[in-house]
Amino acid sequence: GAVVSQHPSRVICKSGTSVKIECRSLDFQATTMFWYRQFPKQSLMLMATSNEGSKATYEQGVEKDKFLINHASLTLSTLTVTSAHPEDSSFYICSARGVGGNSPLHFGNGTRLTVT
Amino acid sequence: AQSVSQHNHHVILSEAASLELGCNYSYGGTVNLFWYVQYPGQHLQLLLKYFSGDPLVKGIKGFEAEFIKSKFSFNLRKPSVQWSDTAEYFCAVNKGIQGAQKLVFGQGTRLTINP
Repeated sequence: GAVVSQHPSRVICKSGTSVKIECRSLDFQATTMFWYRQFPKQSLMLMATSNEGSKATYEQGVEKDKFLINHASLTLSTLTVTSAHPEDSSFYICSARGVGGNSPLHFGNGTRLTVT
Repeated sequence: AQSVSQHNHHVILSEAASLELGCNYSYGGTVNLFWYVQYPGQHLQLLLKYFSGDPLVKGIKGFEAEFIKSKFSFNLRKPSVQWSDTAEYFCAVNKGIQGAQKLVFGQGTRLTINP
């Protein structure tokens, strides 16, 4: 089945540094990728939708300058948390949808970010 | 605000017990409904989905869900659970046409099955 690889699975960084998270579709072309954030015991919250070759669409309340999303190819989207702060510590999950309106979503395993 | 609610945060059952996890949404109009499962250490996987037609949907691993439009509900059921069903379960909704964007997730329900 379709696989979405998310890397790294876990990262610890210091305040003020930037962290890049990669999301790759391994055996299909993902025209659309989604980035979610999940706080403990809470739901997945959609942060942004990225379409290959165009700017990401951010959800209300999500700072686009802080969470930079790049979807440069049909198999790769990256989320960069810039100037990270402890409150950015969270679980970040990507999902990818293939070509076609009824294509299912495939999820990555998530990235646990801890900012110290 | 429009939302998806899962009323049970943590459910503990014994093997062979019957399961029902609640999910309610507050969107009007046409919706697509999903249940996802996340086993420990793994990614989210689709259990079942409803787009249209028969409101009783069969999914993988013996799960089913019933869409009751009048109650804005899409409860997940399984007649006899197994230890391997221990996982986190998420209900999700999106509006509009099939395959449309923007899933909105419920808070999740952690299911623990005791052997």
